[in-house]
Amino acid sequence: DTGVSQDPRHKITKRGQNVTFRCDPISEHNRLYWYRQTLGQGPEFLTYFQNEAQLEKSRLLSDRFSAERPKGSFSTLEIQRTEQGDSAMYLCASSSGLARVDEQFFGPGTRLTVL
Amino acid sequence: DQQVKQNSPSLSVQEGRISILNCDYTNSMFDYFLWYKKYPAEGPTFLISISSIKDKNEDGRFTVFLNKSAKHLSLHIVPSQPGDSAVYFCAASGTSGTYKYIFGTGTRLKVLA
Repeated sequence: DTGVSQDPRHKITKRGQNVTFRCDPISEHNRLYWYRQTLGQGPEFLTYFQNEAQLEKSRLLSDRFSAERPKGSFSTLEIQRTEQGDSAMYLCASSSGLARVDEQFFGPGTRLTVL
Repeated sequence: DQQVKQNSPSLSVQEGRISILNCDYTNSMFDYFLWYKKYPAEGPTFLISISSIKDKNEDGRFTVFLNKSAKHLSLHIVPSQPGDSAVYFCAASGTSGTYKYIFGTGTRLKVLA
């Protein structure tokens, strides 16, 4: 399978706990994105990497959220001190970076439930 | 503020007929528009796109129309098939040096056999 993969697919945690999600992009894709989707809404942009550099962060990304992409390959998204409002589907996408606007390929998402 | 709007949360169409999904946007800086389809428990998958220098793009049964003066785009599916039943998201991207997409809230299409 050469698509975008995300792990875990589901995560249930208690309020106040830290969680970490992983995204493996399509091989050789330079750009990697994180989005969040809540019920009845479309995906909302969180952050974007060009190789290992984090080039843009949304104001939705509070200081409890941190994302990394070491060596420009996989990426992790960590949420510290989770709150019930963090419950959502977290989507990762990657694109080739060969054009200014290029197709983003999405993974299946990680569904987070904060109790 | 919702820069990309899909005002119809749901749409039902008979198999074989045309499905028309609509999308409106407010930011005139958007220059690239895309449609994604999403099945339950899967991530969105790319369907078709259009650059702002065009007013129509066609790919098989799917055609996207762009009316820049009205800041409106639509996706036509002809003929509609039961397998097209999914949530459709309109997305836009701009020229401000960002590569992110701004998504609408989605329209759930149900194609009735």
